[in-house]
Amino acid sequence: GNSVTQMEGPVTLSEEAFLTINCTYTATGYPSLFWYVQYPGEGLQLLLKATKADDKGSNKGFEATYRKETTSFHLEKGSVQVSDSAVYFCALSMNRDDKIIFGKGTRLHILP
Amino acid sequence: DARVTQTPRHKVTEMGQEVTMRCQPILGHNTVFWYRQTMMQGLELLAYFRNRAPLDDSGMPKDRFSAEMPDATLATLKIQPSEPRDSAVYFCASARGIQPQHFGDGTRLSIL
Repeated sequence: GNSVTQMEGPVTLSEEAFLTINCTYTATGYPSLFWYVQYPGEGLQLLLKATKADDKGSNKGFEATYRKETTSFHLEKGSVQVSDSAVYFCALSMNRDDKIIFGKGTRLHILP
Repeated sequence: DARVTQTPRHKVTEMGQEVTMRCQPILGHNTVFWYRQTMMQGLELLAYFRNRAPLDDSGMPKDRFSAEMPDATLATLKIQPSEPRDSAVYFCASARGIQPQHFGDGTRLSIL
């Protein structure tokens, strides 16, 4: 079946460090890929998305590129801030399907 | 910005009591999802509706859980009778078709 695997956390970095959170997927067909972010006490929010191979999603300094050859969608940011501390979820959905399959989430702590 | 509204935000009750959680989806969204989030299991899809019709409730313990959409502006999730293992954060999300989901801020449920 379709699934998403992301690196386990927590990930702890100092402010201004470079961030990578790894995500790989298994899917029959060509999914759309997403990163969602969950801040403390809130629901998930869409951070960025990519709908086809080689697409790059970007938002708030975060980027992820849809790599079909490695079935990956790694999240990156060049310089993290304390306010980026949150839980990040990688996810996929198959076209024409309402449902989203989420990874288990990666908790990120940014130290000042 | 339009938001998904969930009530109550917090609920503490004793085991055996009925619990009702409510969700107001974003106006114009025709799909509604209920999720449960725990530390151990992560984010689990319990049920979802399209155009108010239940499409998939395979993630829901049917002996005690029920989900309904009395009208397009209200979705409910009921637990009767509640048990301590039901303690979790319950999220509602809505979407327009296959567009990305918008999440509410959740109901934090504690069953004593």
